[in-house]
Amino acid sequence: EAGVTQSPTHLIKTRGQQATLRCSPISGHTSVYWYQQALGLGLQFLLWYDEGEERNRGNFPPRFSGRQFPNYSSELNVNALELEDSALYLCASSRTGGNTGELFFGEGSRLTVL
Amino acid sequence: AQSVTQPDIHITVSEGASLELRCNYSYGATPYLFWYVQSPGQGLQLLLKYFSGDTLVQGIKGFEAEFKRSQSSFNLRKPSVHWSDAAEYFCAVGALLTGNQFYFGTGTSLTVIP
Repeated sequence: EAGVTQSPTHLIKTRGQQATLRCSPISGHTSVYWYQQALGLGLQFLLWYDEGEERNRGNFPPRFSGRQFPNYSSELNVNALELEDSALYLCASSRTGGNTGELFFGEGSRLTVL
Repeated sequence: AQSVTQPDIHITVSEGASLELRCNYSYGATPYLFWYVQSPGQGLQLLLKYFSGDTLVQGIKGFEAEFKRSQSSFNLRKPSVHWSDAAEYFCAVGALLTGNQFYFGTGTSLTVIP
């Protein structure tokens, strides 16, 4: 069974540009979560999608947005990039409904903003 | 407000020695508690979880953790550390009632010396 896959692995952008990160959950999982892992800050919750809808959002500005597609894959968009957006962006998936609470993580997309 | 504190940013232990990683949480309801491990360049892998019942939980790779409600703690332990245990360890708390938002600590980096 394939795990959570994320693309691209690495992405380099300049300030003011837009970045798009993609995530495919484990088959059968309908919930997708996005986290930002900046150096020394641990994992900061960004977004939670379930059944195609945004269910919860962390304390990030509106230029962080995303969506979930009918096949439950998801993309994270970061507009007007700033230097402090440089981080590892982790996607995780889980089953919905009878949620065990366990998140399955991808290996992340490393975004570097120059 | 919900939060997770891992007081030790970095710990160094000798191979074969015992290990305890500390985790304290603040949560307004009965928490679900987790420990994840992140090896360099990889995503997070679940070590163990506590939902209810026996307060001592066993996980993979010989790890265990004990939930102490009175101390709001969920410390991770291993009786004998192996060199392959060197990694970053994250404690997390979450519950469906909080919109499935999982709160992660800032992590503890473990170095194992021969």
